[in-house]
Amino acid sequence: DAGVTQSPTHLIKTRGQQVTLRCSPISGHKSVSWYQQVLGQGPQFIFQYYEKEERGRGNFPDRFSARQFPNYSSELNVNALLLGDSALYLCASSSDSLTGELFFGEGSRLTVL
Amino acid sequence: DQQVKQNSPSLSVQEGRISILNCDYTNSMFDYFLWYKKYPAEGPTFLISISSIKDKNEDGRFTVFLNKSAKHLSLHIVPSQPGDSAVYFCAAMPSSGTYKYIFGTGTRLKVLA
Repeated sequence: DAGVTQSPTHLIKTRGQQVTLRCSPISGHKSVSWYQQVLGQGPQFIFQYYEKEERGRGNFPDRFSARQFPNYSSELNVNALLLGDSALYLCASSSDSLTGELFFGEGSRLTVL
Repeated sequence: DQQVKQNSPSLSVQEGRISILNCDYTNSMFDYFLWYKKYPAEGPTFLISISSIKDKNEDGRFTVFLNKSAKHLSLHIVPSQPGDSAVYFCAAMPSSGTYKYIFGTGTRLKVLA
C-alpha cells in the first residue's frame, strides 16, 4: 500500500512568490494535517482537515491556507513568501479516530531566497 | 512558549545498552502522547503512544513511561541497536478533538557499534 505522498519534494522560491504543496493521504484515511518543521525544531501544527472541513488551525498567518478535496487529497498554499517560510512541510494522514498515530509523508523542502 | 520540551539535544549509547529519552510538558490538559523517530530525508515514523490514563506502554524493545504528576514521559529502548540512530520527537495532544499534536524539539540518538 502506498504511504502518504507529497509533491514536490524540493522547491526554491523567491520572496513574495506563492507556493502550492500537494499531499495524497493513505487510502482510506479521511484526515490530513500539515506541519512545518524548521531546521532544529520539531514539527509545528498548521492545519487539520477532516472530510473536507477544517478541524484545526495552528498559529500561522493568513498567508497560509489549505483545502481538502473529495478524494481526501490536500493542498497547502502559502502566499507572499518570506525568508522565514523556508522549512520542511510535512503532510500527515490519519484514520477516522481522533486519537492515534499520524502517518507522515517525506515532506516538501521549501527554500525561499 | 515551549509546551513540550526535550532538554537533551543529543544522546550517545553503546549498542546493546539501554537508551533513555526524556520529555517534559507543561500543559496538564494533554491527553495523549506519542514518540516519533525521524531519519534524514524521511518523514517522522510513529513508534509508540500512551494515553494519559496509563503510566506505561510496551511494544517490543520500546517502552514509554508517563509520570503525570511530574508532567514527564520517557522512552526506553532496550537493547539499543545501531539502526535506532535517528532523531526522536515526543508529541502531546490536548483533548480537543483535533490532531493538533505539539512536538518537542527532538533528541538525536546515536547508537555506537
